[in-house]
Amino acid sequence: AQTVTQSQPEMSVQEAETVTLSCTYDTSESDYYLFWYKQPPSRQMILVIRQEAYKQQNATENRFSVNFQKAAKSFSLKISDSQLGDAAMYFCAYSKIQGAQKLVFGQGTRLTINP
Amino acid sequence: DVKVTQSSRYLVKRTGEKVFLECVQDMDHENMFWYRQDPGLGLRLIYFSYDVKMKEKGDIPEGYSVSREKKERFSLILESASTNQTSMYLCASSELPGTGRAVEQFFGPGTRLTVL
Repeated sequence: AQTVTQSQPEMSVQEAETVTLSCTYDTSESDYYLFWYKQPPSRQMILVIRQEAYKQQNATENRFSVNFQKAAKSFSLKISDSQLGDAAMYFCAYSKIQGAQKLVFGQGTRLTINP
Repeated sequence: DVKVTQSSRYLVKRTGEKVFLECVQDMDHENMFWYRQDPGLGLRLIYFSYDVKMKEKGDIPEGYSVSREKKERFSLILESASTNQTSMYLCASSELPGTGRAVEQFFGPGTRLTVL
């Protein structure tokens, strides 16, 4: 069975600084998706960034980028120029390519932005 | 924009009551999911559905059932609510793979259920 582990329950960063959230996963599949989701205090979960395992290039979305290390099964999220609105729970998630694409989530990391 | 709505943001029920949580999506998605979110455990899949009247158990189906009579609507049912079902419940929907559309799941705002 696939598992996803986020070893940092809480992180904090100064506004405008850079922070990296860690995620490791375990799977026997060769192709799959990895996601970072953000859940602000209002609770609506939204997608931050997505990575297809067959793509070697790391995904980026504006201030958000990932460091995808397939061999190490590591998928970290880097947030540059942190803003107060980045404060949220961040979840790393995995899904297979085929089928109903159920998501397997990590435990979450609560990110605090210090002004 | 994709919109997933849930019938209640907060719900308080008593032990033994039958509870219905409703979810509606407006993007004609094939897949719909129900998750339970608990601190330190992340989100865990209760049930999912990949078509009308089709359903499959997730990782923690015990004590729950689901219904999908229409494509846009997916209901989670607690037949006899218990205190250990106090939690946040999140509904999500997604497209089938291979359609060229986005494959990520879109989430509703969640229902905070308290069972007394």
